Amino acid sequence: LAKTTQPISMDSYEGQEVNITCSHNNIATNDYITWYQQFPSQGPRFIIQGYKTKVTNEVASLFIPADRKSSTLSLPRVSLSDTAVYYCLVGYSNYQLIWGAGTKLIIKP
Amino acid sequence: NAGVTQTPKFQVLKTGQSMTLQCAQDMNHEYMSWYRQDPGMGLRLIHYSVGAGITDQGEVPNGYNVSRSTTEDFPLRLLSAAPSQTSVYFCASSSGTGRYEQYFGPGTRLTVT
Repeated sequence: LAKTTQPISMDSYEGQEVNITCSHNNIATNDYITWYQQFPSQGPRFIIQGYKTKVTNEVASLFIPADRKSSTLSLPRVSLSDTAVYYCLVGYSNYQLIWGAGTKLIIKP
Repeated sequence: NAGVTQTPKFQVLKTGQSMTLQCAQDMNHEYMSWYRQDPGMGLRLIHYSVGAGITDQGEVPNGYNVSRSTTEDFPLRLLSAAPSQTSVYFCASSSGTGRYEQYFGPGTRLTVT
């Protein structure tokens, strides 16, 4: 049974780099890993998506090792406004979308 | 572009009542989905649609019906509301599944008493 697991919560400080890891078993060759950010009382918002190795955009990087059983979202130089819940999502080729339970990230001054 | 819109924003129902949550998107996306998010929890897929006239069940479909008569609209019907359906409901759309960015609506907060 497909399952996506991530830490429940993390703390960090402004200016630090934050890494959040997600474990995803039963991931297949064509399945994608996506990360979303959610603020209270809002819908999730897309951050980054990857398939293998490393992907970088203007807000984050996503690292995926060769076995693809985990992935790490990296947020460089976080600020207070990065305090949010971060979700890992695996999109399976059979239309299944398995979400992690979310990681509550708290950034302190 | 309005993106994904949902109505109503808030709703209170009594046990046994039925209602329809509305969702519309103006991005011509093929894929639309409904999620529920319980307090402090992640999202669980209720139903999804890969195009007009095509729907399928997600992880937690019991007690809900959907239809997709147009590309733009994807209503979610609660057949006989139960307190266990108290949740925040999000509608999302994307160009496809898996590898495509999903755009979420603002959510409907439903309370069943």
